[in-house]
Amino acid sequence: GNSVTQMEGPVTLSEEAFLTINCTYTATGYPSLFWYVQYPGEGLQLLLKATKADDKGSNKGFEATYRKETTSFHLEKGSVQVSDSAVYFCALILTGGGNKLTFGTGTQLKVEL
Amino acid sequence: GAVVSQHPSWVICKSGTSVKIECRSLDFQATTMFWYRQFPKQSLMLMATSNEGSKATYEQGVEKDKFLINHASLTLSTLTVTSAHPEDSSFYICSASLSRNPSSYEQYFGPGTRLTVT
Repeated sequence: GNSVTQMEGPVTLSEEAFLTINCTYTATGYPSLFWYVQYPGEGLQLLLKATKADDKGSNKGFEATYRKETTSFHLEKGSVQVSDSAVYFCALILTGGGNKLTFGTGTQLKVEL
Repeated sequence: GAVVSQHPSWVICKSGTSVKIECRSLDFQATTMFWYRQFPKQSLMLMATSNEGSKATYEQGVEKDKFLINHASLTLSTLTVTSAHPEDSSFYICSASLSRNPSSYEQYFGPGTRLTVT
């Protein structure tokens, strides 16, 4: 079956630190990959996506590259801010798979001054 | 952007009672809504997909008679947990889409409802 594995949190960083949240996946076909972010008290929002191997998704300073050879989609940001504190979810969807999302467990990020 | 609300944000009920959770699309018409369940430190698990005016499609292992889903209008879907038990305690999240066959980036998520059954 399909699955997404994320690093466990919480991840606590100082402001302006470099962020990496690891995500690996298992899929029976060729998935599209996504990162969602959930700020406190709000719904999940799409942060970025990549639909094929070697694609790089980027948004708000966050980046993730679709690595087929390592089945990974790690989220990175060069300099985090306190406002980035949230829960981050990695997810995949299989083309032709009924458009159903498979989520990772989520990683909580806390950024301190 | 498209906003989806859920009500209530948290609810406590006694074992054996039923509880209804509402999911509303506030500024768009949602032809498709999804209901997810999330246990602590676990993934969001899709429970069912509902299209306005038709019966919901449940994922394997989800009890249809226990989790009643109604999508009677283009802006409202409800999830009713019937005869709730402590093992039903969880975080329930809905999402809404404009299309009947959406890609994931067209799903807009609600903030979730925390259900605790005592």
